[in-house]
Amino acid sequence: AQSVTQLGSHVSVSEGALVLLRCNYSSSVPPYLFWYVQYPNQGLQLLLKYTSAATLVKGINGFEAEFKKSETSFHLTKPSAHMSDAAEYFCASPGAGSYQLTFGKGTKLSVIP
Amino acid sequence: NAGVTQTPKFQVLKTGQSMTLQCAQDMNHNSMYWYRQDPGMGLRLIYYSASEGTTDKGEVPNGYNVSRLNKREFSLRLESAAPSQTSVYFCASSDRGANTEAFFGQGTRLTVV
Repeated sequence: AQSVTQLGSHVSVSEGALVLLRCNYSSSVPPYLFWYVQYPNQGLQLLLKYTSAATLVKGINGFEAEFKKSETSFHLTKPSAHMSDAAEYFCASPGAGSYQLTFGKGTKLSVIP
Repeated sequence: NAGVTQTPKFQVLKTGQSMTLQCAQDMNHNSMYWYRQDPGMGLRLIYYSASEGTTDKGEVPNGYNVSRLNKREFSLRLESAAPSQTSVYFCASSDRGANTEAFFGQGTRLTVV
């Protein structure tokens, strides 16, 4: 069954520094992969989605993620962190069936002024 | 642009009480979901409805029931609340299953004492 693992429950970066949030997936076939963001006291919203059309996926707010089959990874990056990026980020992929979206445990991003 | 609307936003229950969480979407989506979010656990799927008239168990269905009332509405019922059901509950919808973008409500923060 497809599953995702996020490395690091909490990441802190300085404002203007590179953001790197890690996600590894387990599957023998190219999956659908998502990154969602959750701002405090809100629901989740989609940042970006991989559907095998292109390995580098650009999302909203300057985020992008690269699908690397050799490393079974789909890490999320942003060149320069902004205070408004402070949130919790979730990697997700369809799990046991096409209706069960499985989430990683989340990575909380703190941005230090 | 309402999207996915959940009610109530906050609720405190005593152990053994029952309640229904309401969810409605105005995007004409086929699939709807109920998740619970607990610290360090990510989001876990409770039940889902692939399309109007169908419901299926997710990862953590025990203690819950659901009703897909029509295409717009998907309710979650706790028959006899337990402290272990203290959590934040999210309703979500998507056009066609877990391979398409999920849209989330703002969440219901439930405390069972």
